[in-house]
Amino acid sequence: ILNVEQSPQSLHVQEGDSTNFTCSFPSSNFYALHWYRWETAKSPEALFVMTLNGDEKKKGRISATLNTKEGYSYLYIKGSQPEDSATYLCASEVTGGGNKLTFGTGTQLKVEL
Amino acid sequence: ETGVTQSPTHLIKTRGQQVTLRCSSQSGHNTVSWYQQALGQGPQFIFQYYREEENGRGNFPPRFSGLQFPNYSSELNVNALELDDSALYLCASSSSRGRNYGYTFGSGTRLTVV
Repeated sequence: ILNVEQSPQSLHVQEGDSTNFTCSFPSSNFYALHWYRWETAKSPEALFVMTLNGDEKKKGRISATLNTKEGYSYLYIKGSQPEDSATYLCASEVTGGGNKLTFGTGTQLKVEL
Repeated sequence: ETGVTQSPTHLIKTRGQQVTLRCSSQSGHNTVSWYQQALGQGPQFIFQYYREEENGRGNFPPRFSGLQFPNYSSELNVNALELDDSALYLCASSSSRGRNYGYTFGSGTRLTVV
């Protein structure tokens, strides 16, 4: 993996469904993996910053896991609600990378009633 | 505490002109980063400023330049605008100790070059 890749590109689910997205990133020189939620016409909002292999973080109905050895992270949303509709971005940060974030193109989630 | 504020929200410029975008960082944050998001792409890192010095630069030409002021607010300047510079420009701030909590983003400036 040379770039940060996210899948799927878009997702439509029904209210109450649980869902998950994937973020793949280069595992060499890994420092941190960020997840952001970006609602239309608003600012990207930080969800999680994960640094340790095997790390698992949770915020309400949203959780994320991290595997730095194989270079992937999963974001899970349990019992999706319409207010979860947003684009979910992941970004990797590498050591010696000048503190820059390398973003994927995002997963666009639409939760329907 | 206030978040990150960017101005203007929208801007239309003609090819060849120059533009200045502004960003007020969140209170207590001393680091500002700028990103460009073209249509259908993820945000791309332009550069970062820490305590008024450039602290890392992405793959952007020298006509993209910046400043950070003593109050940690920042400007992004783009000279000789090209059509491909049309994009959403995002500013993000953080504290040097708070990097592990993520960056605080503004809502962006939408630049259209015609």
